Amino acid sequence: AQSVTQLGSHVSVSEGALVLLRCNYSSSVPPYLFWYVQYPNQGLQLLLKYTTGATLVKGINGFEAEFKKSETSFHLTKPSAHMSDAAEYFCAVNAGNMLTFGGGTRLMVKP
Amino acid sequence: EAEVAQSPRYKITEKSQAVAFWCDPISGHATLYWYRQILGQGPELLVQFQDESVVDDSQLPKDRFSAERLKGVDSTLKIQPAELGDSAMYLCASSLYERYTEAFFGQGTRLTVV
Repeated sequence: AQSVTQLGSHVSVSEGALVLLRCNYSSSVPPYLFWYVQYPNQGLQLLLKYTTGATLVKGINGFEAEFKKSETSFHLTKPSAHMSDAAEYFCAVNAGNMLTFGGGTRLMVKP
Repeated sequence: EAEVAQSPRYKITEKSQAVAFWCDPISGHATLYWYRQILGQGPELLVQFQDESVVDDSQLPKDRFSAERLKGVDSTLKIQPAELGDSAMYLCASSLYERYTEAFFGQGTRLTVV
């Protein structure tokens, strides 16, 4: 069985501030991990993914995430928030043949 | 760039009516997923196909929902009869392989049952 927990359903930051969105997973086998972004009334767009190898992965729009096996975490960060980053972010795990999503975190960016 | 196509984008239907959604995955993608996303929540898997075969439909309410992918390409998800609680975004996604690859999502169908 696999599951994903995203801590904080809403995160608010000021423009230019650090963005940190938290994701913890559980999996009985080595997982592949993903972060997706969703804008209102749109589908999900892949930000980045971890498969194997380097544990720090870089994605689009300046986002990156670090896989920490000991902490079963895959937190998403961006050094400086932009207004256009306001959206819903979903962490997902694939540890077999199923892609399972967390409940999502809504990121709000204040001017 | 190849995309997952879904139609319609929006659908309003009355309770107890039938409704259907269509999805055309990226060419060559063997795996196709249907997810339901209730407002403010993460997507929940309804059904997963590998080519034309159902891999997982454990969360599909089979008394009213059905899904098919007859030729292993495009897919249809049907609800009959629709209930108020079915109001949600229905997302289709596809991926190259069943395991360990990212899914590419369509724009979704926003269903409102009145």
